[in-house]
Amino acid sequence: EAGVAQSPRYKIIEKRQSVAFWCNPISGHATLYWYQQILGQGPKLLIQFQNNGVVDDSQLPKDRFSAERLKGVDSTLKIQPAKLEDSAVYLCASSSRAASSYEQYFGPGTRLTVT
Amino acid sequence: DAKTTQPPSMDCAEGRAANLPCNHSTISGNEYVYWYRQIHSQGPQYIIHGLKNNETNEMASLIITEDRKSSTLILPHATLRDTAVYYCIVYSTDSSYKLIFGSGTRLLVRP
Repeated sequence: EAGVAQSPRYKIIEKRQSVAFWCNPISGHATLYWYQQILGQGPKLLIQFQNNGVVDDSQLPKDRFSAERLKGVDSTLKIQPAKLEDSAVYLCASSSRAASSYEQYFGPGTRLTVT
Repeated sequence: DAKTTQPPSMDCAEGRAANLPCNHSTISGNEYVYWYRQIHSQGPQYIIHGLKNNETNEMASLIITEDRKSSTLILPHATLRDTAVYYCIVYSTDSSYKLIFGSGTRLLVRP
């Protein structure tokens, strides 16, 4: 079974520029998550989708971050404009509520550096 | 905020058991204990979970105290590849299936 795919793996941008990250979840997984992980900390949930609807975006800085999951499969996370404090690894995860354990499967992440 | 407390770091010798403690004194009856680990430059990986009973799988064992206020993840024969940050997470299916990560325990397995 293919895992969660993310691209790009690395991105360097200047502050005030825009950036977008892409995630392709495991086939058939209805729930998709975006996390932000700052160096030395655990991942923090930014947004959770169930199919193409948003379940929780309470931690998403909506003035600069946006995310969509068209057709309930792939998802993109965008930052516009980026700030220095957005430097982090952005992780995508997916899960299937059909599974008894509800475990989340994580992609390798995109490391963003804002200079 | 995370509902668990873990030591920031631990180490053990290769081939020996690694016992990682976790305190979750405010856990409620419908909340599970989940463990994930994150190897350097990778996304977190699910290890094991439990509600009240002890659990074992091919990766690890999970021992939950009778009062459910603490648990221990046991890696029976640690290898260098087990060097990672280990996260203990209290998880409720009532919380929209949301994982709240703390800072975890950084485990170093020494040769």
